[in-house]
Amino acid sequence: AQSVAQPEDQVNVAEGNPLTVKCTYSVSGNPYLFWYVQYPNRGLQFLLKYITGDNLVKGSYGFEAEFNKSQTSFHLKKPSALVSDSALYFCAVRARSGTYKYIFGTGTRLKVLA
Amino acid sequence: KAGVTQTPRYLIKTRGQQVTLSCSPISGHRSVSWYQQTPGQGLQFLFEYFSETQRNKGNFPGRFSGRQFSNSRSEMNVSTLELGDSALYLCASSLGPLGRPGVYNEQFFGPGTRLTVL
Repeated sequence: AQSVAQPEDQVNVAEGNPLTVKCTYSVSGNPYLFWYVQYPNRGLQFLLKYITGDNLVKGSYGFEAEFNKSQTSFHLKKPSALVSDSALYFCAVRARSGTYKYIFGTGTRLKVLA
Repeated sequence: KAGVTQTPRYLIKTRGQQVTLSCSPISGHRSVSWYQQTPGQGLQFLFEYFSETQRNKGNFPGRFSGRQFSNSRSEMNVSTLELGDSALYLCASSLGPLGRPGVYNEQFFGPGTRLTVL
């Protein structure tokens, strides 16, 4: 069965420090991979996606993610965290064939401390 | 261009009642997907509609149903509400269907409808 795992419910990081939010997946083939962010009382906002090509994907607000096929991971990173980055982050995958449903992780709450 | 809108934003119902949620996609978008978000489960896919046809369905009981109108607006209905149906229901629209081989259609999410079942 297809699945996405975000092993950390919460990540705390000091402002100015680099941050990493982890995501691993189990999907056959080469899926599309996504990161979304959710602020309180808001819907999901798209951050970045991996479709094909360079394994390092750059997205909105200075975020980037690295696709690692051998480890089936797609970790979200940012070199220098801001307090305003504090939010709920979701990793998602979509198979390139078959059901085409988006499978989301359970979310990781990022807290950036001033 | 206006984003995805969902009405109402908040709902309080009691067990056994039914509820209808509405979603208006971005102008020109013809695909609408629905998701249930709960703290422990994250986002779970309910169903997708494209051109008034349900194309995909998640693993939810038959109490959850939906439809799409000719103007692409979509409604989701939950009958015989249970306490466990309390959640944030998110709607997402995309230009085309999610499941077109070799084609990627980005999803844009609405703010959600917070349903509380008492």
